[in-house]
Amino acid sequence: QKEVEQNSGPLSVPEGAIASLNCTYSDRGSQSFFWYRQYSGKSPELIMSIYSNGDKEDGRFTAQLNKASQYVSLLIRDSQPSDSATYLCAVDSSYKLIFGSGTRLLVRP
Amino acid sequence: SQTIHQWPATLVQPVGSPLSLECTVEGTSNPNLYWYRQAAGRGLQLLFYSVGIGQISSEVPQNLSASRPQDRQFILSSKKLLLSDSGFYLCAWSINRGDQPQHFGDGTRLSIL
Repeated sequence: QKEVEQNSGPLSVPEGAIASLNCTYSDRGSQSFFWYRQYSGKSPELIMSIYSNGDKEDGRFTAQLNKASQYVSLLIRDSQPSDSATYLCAVDSSYKLIFGSGTRLLVRP
Repeated sequence: SQTIHQWPATLVQPVGSPLSLECTVEGTSNPNLYWYRQAAGRGLQLLFYSVGIGQISSEVPQNLSASRPQDRQFILSSKKLLLSDSGFYLCAWSINRGDQPQHFGDGTRLSIL
């Protein structure tokens, strides 16, 4: 059974801080990794894709991938209350994505 | 650009009634299509996916079925709803390649009474 694990949280950080969200996966053959943001009552929204080892930055978001250790992380710099949401990690598996159960992030004003 | 439409946004149905949820994608051809269910406070459960017209793969055996009558249309159905079918139903599409992200519709919140 291919799995994606995330700490459910909540992860609470003060406004302006860096939020660090982590994800581990079991399938060594996975090549594509995604982070989604889901606000309460809404559908998931793609915020980052990463395909190779290292860091990928997009605005306040940085995705980090380490295939040898089988983990993916998402850093959110200068966290804002509007970043409060559940963040889902997803890993490709033969035309499907395996989703983690998500980490709930709370940014305190 | 591509867009995905899913309707209705909310639905309240009695136990034992039938169900039909529809999803259409615009702006792309031969997409992969997916149906998920999300119970309150829980993760995404993949129900069905399709890589082409008439090709449906089922992930979880249950009283739901899916059909893809046209290239960009995906339908989720049930003949008799159960209380346990309540949840947030999400349709998603991706480019027809194995390493692509999925893009979600706005979802249908289904309540069974």
